[in-house]
Amino acid sequence: DIQMTQSPPSLSASVGDRVTITCRASQGITHYLAWFQQKPGKAPKSLIYAASSLQSGLPSKFSGSGSGTDFTLTISSLQPEDFATYYCQQYDSYPYTFGQGTKLEIK
Amino acid sequence: QVQLEQSGAEVKKPGASVKVSCKASGYTFTSYYIHWVRQAPGQGLEWMAILNPTHDSTTYAQRLQGRISVTTDTSTGTVYMELSSLKSEDTAVYYCARGTGSPDYWGQGTLVTVSS
Repeated sequence: DIQMTQSPPSLSASVGDRVTITCRASQGITHYLAWFQQKPGKAPKSLIYAASSLQSGLPSKFSGSGSGTDFTLTISSLQPEDFATYYCQQYDSYPYTFGQGTKLEIK
Repeated sequence: QVQLEQSGAEVKKPGASVKVSCKASGYTFTSYYIHWVRQAPGQGLEWMAILNPTHDSTTYAQRLQGRISVTTDTSTGTVYMELSSLKSEDTAVYYCARGTGSPDYWGQGTLVTVSS
């Protein structure tokens, strides 16, 4: 199975900040990488697919980059509604594994 | 609009089976795969299975092989996930999600509690 490692596990930031979350795959996955946002008690919400493509209707404050084994999610101009847990997922090969999550908290 | 409506919460005893449904609407059912993902209390997301509704073919996570079965009723656009020989570690919220690659739309989740 492909292991997905996210860093950092948690992150404190202030409203208005820009933050970057990293996801590393244990082997190359080309661009088959997605990012999700999850708030407590809610289903995950899809943000990014194919490493850098923004899901329809989402603001451009969310951006993804990377290929191969190293990927990043950047969130600019943080707003209160952006504080949540973020997960990466590879869908290059089964099983489609997730990272362990990064909890973004308000400083 | 795309919707995935899941069945309600379940409480089961160890060793029993549970069957969770996921009814899709708002799109052509056979055009997208359906994923199943679960989340134990306070834990991360675990991918479980994927169904291709066009060919009624499935792929399961190896660790669940033999205990999980995903089936579909194309006439109603409903997908079913059955997990057998339940253990306390299977207590989780179970999600269905649409997506031929990565998921794009998610169901609301179904809490399955396994307790004696």
